[in-house]
Amino acid sequence: DGGITQSPKYLFRKEGQNVTLSCEQNLNHDAMYWYRQDPGQGLRLIYYSQIVNDFQKGDIAEGYSVSREKKESFPLTVTSAQKNPTAFYLCASSRRPGQGAEAFFGQGTRLTVV
Amino acid sequence: GQSLEQPSEVTAVEGAIVQINCTYQTSGFYGLSWYQQHDGGAPTFLSYNALDGLEETGRFSSFLSRSDSYGYLLLQELQMKDSASYFCAVSPRGANNLFFGTGTRLTVIP
Repeated sequence: DGGITQSPKYLFRKEGQNVTLSCEQNLNHDAMYWYRQDPGQGLRLIYYSQIVNDFQKGDIAEGYSVSREKKESFPLTVTSAQKNPTAFYLCASSRRPGQGAEAFFGQGTRLTVV
Repeated sequence: GQSLEQPSEVTAVEGAIVQINCTYQTSGFYGLSWYQQHDGGAPTFLSYNALDGLEETGRFSSFLSRSDSYGYLLLQELQMKDSASYFCAVSPRGANNLFFGTGTRLTVIP
């Protein structure tokens, strides 16, 4: 089945640690996105990528890093520089804007700092 | 930059019709999309308007007016399972990303 997979579902991080959230898709989509969602809030864009080996900062990129070495994979690293990382993280993929509308989301990773 | 504003909460009765509005400020975009998200779940795609006018998909319809910088999602024959958050989204030209609105939490009551 085609889809987008995030792992892990739940993640606990100690203060000062870097953690990496996985996102894999087998939909052959060019575009991939990372969003952060805080309780009762909307989706805020962290990073996005339109093609392999290229990515752009979104509205809240500080304290995060990404890579796009393969079309299928777009991992997000939450660094120790992110002061308030506890949130629900959503990865999505789509065809390039202008080529289609629908974005597909993974089931999310809930990150908690302990 | 861009902004997409939605009412934060809407309550409606089962079986009724509800309209969720989205007003935007953006220099240009490919189209307006709508997504549904149940608590703790992933957003799922509902509808897309590339052109002005009404698009109908079953019980859901979506409308776009570029001249008025306005769109809405219309849900008919409301069911309890429609209780969820609804987001409008645009793909801005030039930015080539997917930008979401503030979201509307819909509560359907018996």
